[in-house]
Amino acid sequence: GAVVSQHPSWVICKSGTSVKIECRSLDFQATTMFWYRQFPKQSLMLMATSNEGSKATYEQGVEKDKFLINHASLTLSTLTVTSAHPEDSSFYICSAPRTGSGEQYFGPGTRLTVT
Amino acid sequence: GQQLNQSPQSMFIQEGEDVSMNCTSSSIFNTWLWYKQDPGEGPVLLIALYKAGELTSNGRLTAQFGITRKDSFLNISASIPSDVGIYFCAGQGGSEKLVFGKGTKLTVNP
Repeated sequence: GAVVSQHPSWVICKSGTSVKIECRSLDFQATTMFWYRQFPKQSLMLMATSNEGSKATYEQGVEKDKFLINHASLTLSTLTVTSAHPEDSSFYICSAPRTGSGEQYFGPGTRLTVT
Repeated sequence: GQQLNQSPQSMFIQEGEDVSMNCTSSSIFNTWLWYKQDPGEGPVLLIALYKAGELTSNGRLTAQFGITRKDSFLNISASIPSDVGIYFCAGQGGSEKLVFGKGTKLTVNP
């Protein structure tokens, strides 16, 4: 099956610093990728849609200046959490739809802890 | 945002038993997807359904796309301990965005 990777798998950073998370589709090209946030014992919450070659579109209530998204190529999207605060600590997961298949594959997630 | 109604919220079963969970929506979807998520991991795609009425199997898993296009169920037969996890349904409408259920937490007692 298709594979999506994320890096890093976990990161601890100090409050006020920025953290970049990478999402890669390994065996297919993805013009669109999605970024989710998941709190413990809850479902996935869509944050934004990453679009290759154009600006990301953010869901209501998600600060675009805080969560910077760059879709650098057809296989790479990055999420940068700027000026991180402890409340940004969460599990961040990306997904990539395989064009034409209807199937969507998720990365393994990145655990962010802000101290 | 929109969310699917997934039930049950949790299940505790004995190894070897069959399991059934379902999702309903007030909206029509073009695709239904079922995922399993283990702790600290991303969701893994189990089954994808594309047509109303479609019944698809993947090993001991069987899922169906409801005729009304507003519901889907997932069955797991002869459960084993490694089936433990959280199962999510997801619907896809006109865009590639997914709408998720809240998940069904499955516990299998050996």
